[in-house]
Amino acid sequence: KQEVTQIPAALSVPEGENLVLNCSFTDSAIYNLQWFRQDPGKGLTSLLLIQSSQREQTSGRLNASLDKSSGRSTLYIAASQPGDSATYLCAVRPRPNAGGTSYGKLTFGQGTILTVHP
Amino acid sequence: KAGVTQTPRYLIKTRGQQVTLSCSPISGHRSVSWYQQTPGQGLQFLFEYFSETQRNKGNFPGRFSGRQFSNSRSEMNVSTLELGDSALYLCASSLNEVYEQYFGPGTRLTVT
Repeated sequence: KQEVTQIPAALSVPEGENLVLNCSFTDSAIYNLQWFRQDPGKGLTSLLLIQSSQREQTSGRLNASLDKSSGRSTLYIAASQPGDSATYLCAVRPRPNAGGTSYGKLTFGQGTILTVHP
Repeated sequence: KAGVTQTPRYLIKTRGQQVTLSCSPISGHRSVSWYQQTPGQGLQFLFEYFSETQRNKGNFPGRFSGRQFSNSRSEMNVSTLELGDSALYLCASSLNEVYEQYFGPGTRLTVT
C-alpha cells in the first residue's frame, strides 16, 4: 500500500527566503508525481507534474525534483512571497497494473502548511 | 478553456438523507476522479470513471456511489448520510487515467 509523507507539516518563513518542501513515498512503482497548492476552503491547483522518467520540472520560481529510486521528491520555492502562503500537497499516481485496478488513483501526503510573512 | 466545475458549492443535509453532487470536467477530458477531504484523514480517493466505466474504487462503504454520463459529466451519490460524511468533496478531471489531474473548487457538505 502506497504511503506518502510530507515534511515539515508546517513552515513559517520571512518573505524573500528560498525554501524546500519534502515528499517521500514508499512504493517506487509510480507513473508520475504531482505537486499542488490549496488555499483555505478551496480546491487544488496543480503546480508541477513530473513523470517517472524525469528528474525535475520547473515553472517560474518553482522547481520540483524526483528521485524515484529513493522514493523522494522536493519542491523548491525561490524568493518566497506572502502570496505563496498555502498548503502544499504532493501526490503520486501508481503505474497502471496488469489488472487495471490502479487507474486514476492519486495518493496524497498530508501536506505542508506554508506561511510567508512580510 | 473552462476549468472543472462542481455543483452545488455548499450543501447542508441531515443524517439519514441522501445527496447527489455533480462534476463537469474540462472539455475533452474523459477521466473523472472523486476525492473526499477531511481534517483528520486528508485527501482520500473515492472512485474514478473513464468513458462511463468505473475503473477504480477506494475503501468507502457502498453508500458512496457514482456514475459518468456520455458527455463525461459525473455525479456522486451518498445515501443514508452520517455525521462523518461532512467533508469537502473534490472532483478532478484528466485526459485519461495517467495524465495530469485538474481539480474543481469542491462541494462543502455539512451533515447535521
